[in-house]
Amino acid sequence: DARVTQTPRHKVTEMGQEVTMRCQPILGHNTVFWYRQTMMQGLELLAYFRNRAPLDDSGMPKDRFSAEMPDATLATLKIQPSEPRDSAVYFCASGLSLGQGYEQYFGPGTRLTVT
Amino acid sequence: GENVEQHPSTLSVQEGDSAVIKCTYSDSASNYFPWYKQELGKGPQLIIDIRSNVGEKKDQRIAVTLNKTAKHFSLHITETQPEDSAVYFCAASKANSGYALNFGKGTSLLVTP
Repeated sequence: DARVTQTPRHKVTEMGQEVTMRCQPILGHNTVFWYRQTMMQGLELLAYFRNRAPLDDSGMPKDRFSAEMPDATLATLKIQPSEPRDSAVYFCASGLSLGQGYEQYFGPGTRLTVT
Repeated sequence: GENVEQHPSTLSVQEGDSAVIKCTYSDSASNYFPWYKQELGKGPQLIIDIRSNVGEKKDQRIAVTLNKTAKHFSLHITETQPEDSAVYFCAASKANSGYALNFGKGTSLLVTP
């Protein structure tokens, strides 16, 4: 049963600390997305990659957020320094880009609390 | 950018009744529209999707309709069951943004026995 995995599932940290979230996409998928979910903003896109190349990161605060794909089996989202307003659930999703539209499968999310 | 509106924000139905959730989108270039179900503490789960070359799609008790001219699409759940209770999200996407999803705000569906 192929699925997207994310670690850690929960993270509590103090303001100013670095946070790294990891995602393992479904094997064979070539596109990876990072979304953030908050009560106020709902689900919003942060960044996405195709074939490990970053295509769009316009949804991320550039000064503190960075996203990378060191290899095809790992995507990372880093926040440095973290702020209380970064508290949210961060989801990774993966899909296989073929033709018009394609299914995206979400991981269980990382719940981040910044105090 | 794309703006997706979703209604209603909450919906309560009795078991066995039908539930309908409606979404509108603003960008006529959008051509892929998935629906997700999210249970508490879990990630969104894809339940059905539709592409702009199709007007309707059905999968057992779930159906989605799309009206490209009016730029709206709807989720229909028939014979609802308590396990259908969850938050449902619609989304719109297009090719030149890599099919990154623009989500509606969600509908909290409660199915009472």
